[in-house]
Amino acid sequence: NAGVMQNPRHLVRRRGQEARLRCSPMKGHSHVYWYRQLPEEGLKFMVYLQKENIIDESGMPKERFSAEFPKEGPSILRIQQVVRGDSAAYFCASSPKTGFYNEQFFGPGTRLTVL
Amino acid sequence: AQTVTQSQPEMSVQEAETVTLSCTYDTSENNYYLFWYKQPPSRQMILVIRQEAYKQQNATENRFSVNFQKAAKSFSLKISDSQLGDTAMYFCAFCSGGSNYKLTFGKGTLLTVNP
Repeated sequence: NAGVMQNPRHLVRRRGQEARLRCSPMKGHSHVYWYRQLPEEGLKFMVYLQKENIIDESGMPKERFSAEFPKEGPSILRIQQVVRGDSAAYFCASSPKTGFYNEQFFGPGTRLTVL
Repeated sequence: AQTVTQSQPEMSVQEAETVTLSCTYDTSENNYYLFWYKQPPSRQMILVIRQEAYKQQNATENRFSVNFQKAAKSFSLKISDSQLGDTAMYFCAFCSGGSNYKLTFGKGTLLTVNP
């Protein structure tokens, strides 16, 4: 059973461009979570999605950031008009159900660098 | 809002020795969960151990154990018989019983195991 897949692993964008980060959850997992890790910081929750639904986006910046988890295909985290402060590692996690007893399995992350 | 504090940015230990990583947290809730995650150089987040706040018994997973002091809001990780493969960033994380999915992480402790 393949783990959580994220691509690309590394992404370089110039200021003002768009960044699209993809996450394929583990097989059988319908819950996806995105976290951001700034340099020398812990991971910070951004958004929780189920298929076709955003459940909690309380950690998402109000502007330029959006996330989706369509019925078919991977979850996408989109950052429009990137700025240098968006440079970070973005981690996706998935679980079969939500809740404490359902471990969130993390992907390897996408490291975004904004020039 | 909950906060998680790891006061040791870096620690080192000799192979086969025991080391304890500290973590304190702040919450007004009574029902919550605590975790330790390991992030090796590959940057993959790996769950090491977890603890339910309502359980008085400290969790143990092979060489890893915790000292959970609920009144003091302390949750330390003890690694026995340290191995070179234990070298990694270790993150303490909190999850509210209410949300039961939103992990709040500390800034991490970089542990180096020396041969």
